Formats: sequence, structure tokens, C-alpha cells
Amino acid sequence: DGGITQSPKYLFRKEGQNVTLSCEQNLNHDAMYWYRQDPGQGLRLIYYSQIVNDFQKGDIAEGYSVSREKKESFPLTVTSAQKNPTAFYLCASSQVQGGTEAFFGQGTRLTVV
Amino acid sequence: GESVGLHLPTLSVQEGDNSIINCAYSNSASDYFIWYKQESGKGPQFIIDIRSNMDKRQGQRVTVLLNKTVKHLSLQIAATQPGDSAVYFCAENTSDYKLSFGAGTTVTVRA
Repeated sequence: DGGITQSPKYLFRKEGQNVTLSCEQNLNHDAMYWYRQDPGQGLRLIYYSQIVNDFQKGDIAEGYSVSREKKESFPLTVTSAQKNPTAFYLCASSQVQGGTEAFFGQGTRLTVV
Repeated sequence: GESVGLHLPTLSVQEGDNSIINCAYSNSASDYFIWYKQESGKGPQFIIDIRSNMDKRQGQRVTVLLNKTVKHLSLQIAATQPGDSAVYFCAENTSDYKLSFGAGTTVTVRA
């Protein structure tokens, strides 16, 4: 079954801890993205990657880090430097050529306790 | 700041009527636009897209209109059904492959 898989669906973190969100795709897409969504708001771009071993900061990259060691994987680490990490995190992928739709995972809801 | 936005945060529509959701964008370099539907607790789902060299595109029960002169995008849903209740986002894809989203419009279908 082709698609994007995010795990876990729900994640709880204590203040001061780093946590890593998983995103895997088997669509053979070159580009992958991480978005953050707060209640009642749109999606804000955190990081994106167009090719393996390369990634760029989005609009709200502070307090986050990513890696792209494999084409199918784009994990996001929420560090202790992120002051307000509680949110819904969405991963997406698309063909690298501009002008194609992005496919989304089902999201990870992160709560800081 | 955001370059894509929606005119109205909520829309209530009677079942069977047509729905029109509007979106304004400010980046004239954007060449590709997408409408997504998001149900509660889920990721956005692709509805329909349109490239900047087109004015109109039709899908199953949906039509997207693009007015580049005033930088306006709209999504029309024909014969709205209860399953159409969701948040709808427009997104623009600039030439550097960034996909930017507006704040969304919540559509509620009344029975």
C-alpha cells in the first residue's frame, strides 16, 4: 500500500526533552516536508528537503532539526529549544518537479506535559 | 508572513446547495495552486489543482477558478453533502517547491 506513514499518532513529552517524530514514504518521492498546525490555524512550514542529504529551513525552523539520510525517511526532532512545541505535526511528500500535489501523512499530535 | 489566505473562516451551507470557498494570494510568482480538504484529526487530502496558465478546472462535483488579475482562487462544490463538512485550505506552490497554506475555511453542512 503506497503512502506516507507518520508515527506515533500521539506523543507526550516532558519539558526540556527532545523528541523525534517519524515520517516514512514509499511513493518514491524526492521532496519531503514538515508542517506544524495549531488549533484553528493553517499549516506552517518547518523544514523541507528536495533530495537526500539536503534540506532547507521553512518559515518556523527555530527549535527543530531534521535529517534526510534516506529518500524514504525524513525524521523531525523537536528540541528543548522549541518554546511552544504542543501542536499537530504533518509530514508530506511530492515529486521534486515543481507544480505537483503533496501527499500528507495522518499527523502526530505532540503534547508537552 | 503568509502569502495565501482565505476570505471567510467559516461557511454554513444547506445540504444540496452549492458551496463557494474563496482564497486570496499575494505572490504573483506562484504558478500552481491546490485545494485540500482536512477532516478533524487527519492529514489534508488533495481535492483539485490548477496551474497558472489555466482559468478553470473541473473535477467530480468540484470546480476551481483562478483569477490572476486579482490574485483570487475559488473552490466551488456542487450539491454539497454532509461528507463535505471539513476545513478547506488553498495552497500555492512557488518555483522553489515550497507549498504555502492559508488559514482555512471551516465548512459545515446543515441537514
